Amino acid sequence: AQSVTQLGSHVSVSEGALVLLRCNYSSSVPPYLFWYVQYPNQGLQLLLKYTSAATLVKGINGFEAEFKKSETSFHLTKPSAHMSDAAEYFCAVSENNAGNMLTFGGGTRLMVKP
Amino acid sequence: ETGVTQTPRHLVMGMTNKKSLKCEQHLGHNAMYWYKQSAKKPLELMFVYSLEERVENNSVPSRFSPECPNSSHLFLHLHTLQPEDSALYLCASSQKKGGPNSPLHFGNGTRLTVT
Repeated sequence: AQSVTQLGSHVSVSEGALVLLRCNYSSSVPPYLFWYVQYPNQGLQLLLKYTSAATLVKGINGFEAEFKKSETSFHLTKPSAHMSDAAEYFCAVSENNAGNMLTFGGGTRLMVKP
Repeated sequence: ETGVTQTPRHLVMGMTNKKSLKCEQHLGHNAMYWYKQSAKKPLELMFVYSLEERVENNSVPSRFSPECPNSSHLFLHLHTLQPEDSALYLCASSQKKGGPNSPLHFGNGTRLTVT
């Protein structure tokens, strides 16, 4: 069985500061890992995905995530936060080949202070 | 425009009403999904339709009934709902065999309030 834990349901950073959103997973097989972002009143949008190629994955809007098998982690980072990054972020894991039966974490709401 | 369109965006219904949520995808995908997003809970997969096969989460009550007439349209029929069913219902689509290179594409959701 697979599961995802996102530490911190709320994270607040100042504009220009480093963004770090944590995700740990459990999976019985090599996983596919995803980060999605949800802006207010919208659905989820794919930020980036890990598919067993490079362990450092770059996504849209300057975000990146690093897969660390030894730590079973897939933390999301961005060097400098922008006000427009304020949203809810979801980490998800999939074990099936199609990568579409996802298990989501509880989400982390990112707040960016001016 | 996300490629996945959900209607209505907002719905308020009483516990004795019958209503339906509609989802349409314009991406040529062959798998569609219903997710439930409740406050303070992880997204919950309710149903999957792919290549005319249906997979369902056994914990979903029978008062939710999906229908997928073709690969582009998905409905969620609602009847005798409970207040705890109030949530954001998200539709998504993907290519079933596309692998992680074909991730889920979500609609903007229907905000359902049961009174």
